[in-house]
Amino acid sequence: DVKVTQSSRYLVKRTGEKVFLECVQDMDHENMFWYRQDPGLGLRLIYFSYDVKMKEKGDIPEGYSVSREKKERFSLILESASTNQTSMYLCAILDREANYGYTFGSGTRLTVV
Amino acid sequence: GDSVTQMEGPVTLSEEAFLTINCTYTATGYPSLFWYVQYPGEGLQLLLKATKADDKGSNKGFEATYRKETTSFHLEKGSVQVSDSAVYFCASNTGNQFYFGTGTSLTVIP
Repeated sequence: DVKVTQSSRYLVKRTGEKVFLECVQDMDHENMFWYRQDPGLGLRLIYFSYDVKMKEKGDIPEGYSVSREKKERFSLILESASTNQTSMYLCAILDREANYGYTFGSGTRLTVV
Repeated sequence: GDSVTQMEGPVTLSEEAFLTINCTYTATGYPSLFWYVQYPGEGLQLLLKATKADDKGSNKGFEATYRKETTSFHLEKGSVQVSDSAVYFCASNTGNQFYFGTGTSLTVIP
């Protein structure tokens, strides 16, 4: 089974800081995604990537950027963290072996103070 | 565009009660349909899926049938347990992008 690892379960950052959220997969999957999850809003797509150095904006890319220098790693960057970016962040890959279902990481709960 | 609508919660049931969580979808193509479950403090896990009309997905006592005529994929379980307490998400996928419902929180009390 593919494993998707998010480097931190909990993070607390200050307003204005640059924040890096890391996601690593242990298989050779091309498609990787970043979502944020907020109560009452469900999951909202921030960015996704089909391959190395490729990125596409999702529904709410403002205030975020991404980096995919290697196939197994997809990083979400908050250029200047703000309190409205306090959220649960979920990384996912599109899993060919699971009939193209998502496999998610365990999430990073980010608090910006 | 594509979207998924699921019943709002929270839902509270007694142990061994019957569970239904409604989910309907709109799609321009023929999506695959999924239910995901999120236990407290964790990421989402795939619960079950169906890839075409009339398919039934099942796992851990949960079932859902892909109904093209009603564009629905309702989640059911005959007898819930305390350990089923979680948030359940319905999702559709046409191509590479997923569309999620807003989630339904289920609490099962002993």
